[in-house]
Amino acid sequence: EDQVTQSPEALRLQEGESSSLNCSYTVSGLRGLFWYRQDPGKGPEFLFTLYSAGEEKEKERLKATLTKKESFLHITAPKPEDSATYLCAVQGTSYGKLTFGQGTILTVHP
Amino acid sequence: DAGVIQSPRHEVTEMGQEVTLRCKPISGHNSLFWYRQTMMRGLELLIYFNNNVPIDDSGMPEDRFSAKMPNASFSTLKIQPSEPRDSAVYFCASSEDLGTRYEQYFGPGTRLTVT
Repeated sequence: EDQVTQSPEALRLQEGESSSLNCSYTVSGLRGLFWYRQDPGKGPEFLFTLYSAGEEKEKERLKATLTKKESFLHITAPKPEDSATYLCAVQGTSYGKLTFGQGTILTVHP
Repeated sequence: DAGVIQSPRHEVTEMGQEVTLRCKPISGHNSLFWYRQTMMRGLELLIYFNNNVPIDDSGMPEDRFSAKMPNASFSTLKIQPSEPRDSAVYFCASSEDLGTRYEQYFGPGTRLTVT
């Protein structure tokens, strides 16, 4: 059974204070690892897909990296508008089937 | 595009009543997913369809839950009879097709409260 563990559960940062979120996974035959952002009262919004170890993707202040056991979401010089819950998910051998982690609640104070 | 549309946005019902949640996927998308989100269990996949055919319903918690997709532009998730532990936010998502290269677009969710 695919498993995803995210840490920390919650992270409070000051504006401009860079940090990283962790996503550890166990999956038989990783087809892809996904990062989503979820704002309160809304559905998750897609950020990145990573396919193989060593891959990196960037979008504005966010950079996602992937190893054989975990993924990191690095946030550089965050702003208050980056406050949200960040969800990690994996897709294994079943096409379309995503297994999500519990998420990390990020709060950025001005 | 209007994105994935879900209705109702909020539903409050009494235990034992039937509940029907509705979803309209993005036009042209061939795959549709139903998820449930709770504080305790996080976001869980319940069932997904491809070209209107159910592919995997192993996440459906009990026989009280059923889902249909009669055509490419409409799907329902039904709970009968409902129980308080069914209280959660239910999301519908759609994608162009199955596979990692097709991102899933989520709707705004239906918040279900069963009293």
